[in-house]
Amino acid sequence: GESVGLHLPTLSVQEGDNSIINCAYSNSASDYFIWYKQESGKGPQFIIDIRSNMDKRQGQRVTVLLNKTVKHLSLQIAATQPGDSAVYFCAEKTSGSRLTFGEGTQLTVNP
Amino acid sequence: EAGVAQSPRYKIIEKRQSVAFWCNPISGHATLYWYQQILGQGPKLLIQFQNNGVVDDSQLPKDRFSAERLKGVDSTLKIQPAKLEDSAVYLCASSLDGTYTDTQYFGPGTRLTVL
Repeated sequence: GESVGLHLPTLSVQEGDNSIINCAYSNSASDYFIWYKQESGKGPQFIIDIRSNMDKRQGQRVTVLLNKTVKHLSLQIAATQPGDSAVYFCAEKTSGSRLTFGEGTQLTVNP
Repeated sequence: EAGVAQSPRYKIIEKRQSVAFWCNPISGHATLYWYQQILGQGPKLLIQFQNNGVVDDSQLPKDRFSAERLKGVDSTLKIQPAKLEDSAVYLCASSLDGTYTDTQYFGPGTRLTVL
């Protein structure tokens, strides 16, 4: 079906390590992807986005990689900090359609 | 800049009762969204407004859910009557103009528990 999902429901890393959160999507027509961070008791917060004409985009401590061949998206967080602990969602859009969210990965950063 | 405001933050009701949620978007944002987020899942769009007009309500259970944005600013989402499966967090989001890559900013949500 046309859905966005994540490979792993939980990810635990040590403070200072790099984190990689993965996302698979099934709709080959999807051309815009967004990563959101959701802390407990809060709404999702935009982190970074990427359009399908790109395969990599960098922000502050974050990098998103897009592999259209295998329909895979990843979020890399450098030097992960305790404040990065949250649920991370990937979301996708197809022209003329609504934003569709995956089910999330819980990132836990251990001190 | 003030963010998206929602109230109440928590609500507990019994099934078959009615409930209403309120949202005030970021000032100047023309597009307003209501999402339903069931525990452990990603948000699902219920309805999207552009100013005071409905753009997409295809996933809104219209037999029990209604929403309005009469003056193109704040909005209310109502459930009547509520069912057990309506227990979820209801998120409001707004964006500047609703264009394809327009960033959506989310409020803190209202956590609804239906007993």
